[in-house]
Amino acid sequence: AQKVTQAQTEISVVEKEDVTLDCVYETRDTTYYLFWYKQPPSGELVFLIRRNSFDEQNEISGRYSWNFQKSTSSFNFTITASQVVDSAVYFCALRPGTYKYIFGTGTRLKVLA
Amino acid sequence: GAGVSQSPSNKVTEKGKDVELRCDPISGHTALYWYRQSLGQGLEFLIYFQGNSAPDKSGLPSDRFSAERTGGSVSTLTIQRTQQEDSAVYLCASSPLQGTQYFGPGTRLTVL
Repeated sequence: AQKVTQAQTEISVVEKEDVTLDCVYETRDTTYYLFWYKQPPSGELVFLIRRNSFDEQNEISGRYSWNFQKSTSSFNFTITASQVVDSAVYFCALRPGTYKYIFGTGTRLKVLA
Repeated sequence: GAGVSQSPSNKVTEKGKDVELRCDPISGHTALYWYRQSLGQGLEFLIYFQGNSAPDKSGLPSDRFSAERTGGSVSTLTIQRTQQEDSAVYLCASSPLQGTQYFGPGTRLTVL
């Protein structure tokens, strides 16, 4: 089965706190890609990052960082020093083959001032 | 450069009417996807195009839904005899072959 689980439905943090959004995936494919998208209140999904299954190196982009661990089939996303503008729904997605994306149900992040 | 565009941004229709939703992908993107997102829900895959062909239509919920793509560019999603349960945001995304998807702003469809 191919599946993405985002167990956290909603998270609320106070501004400047760090927050980690969890993503666990299932696939039998050895080659696959993982993605994170942000959907702010405006509604348009914004691409954040893509990772292939052969690259477990963690990545940092400003306040954002991603931790990919094949051993636990997880691709977690951490926002450091959260800001109100980070409030959005965040989707994790898996692409096990050449085209089809499997999305998680999303985590709604609320950052309170 | 220009991103994925969709029109209309909002559509209100009466139950039983047909609607057409349009997607203009990023120039040069060969793959095009349609998704549906109901209020507060995740993304439901509808159909995938590679060029003008649709090798995967598995997500279309009923035969009232159809889609086409012409010239390897613009795509139209048509819903016939709309029902209230069709109310949702319809999202289009495009990508280069095996590349990353980029999404349009969506069309919010309301069926009264």
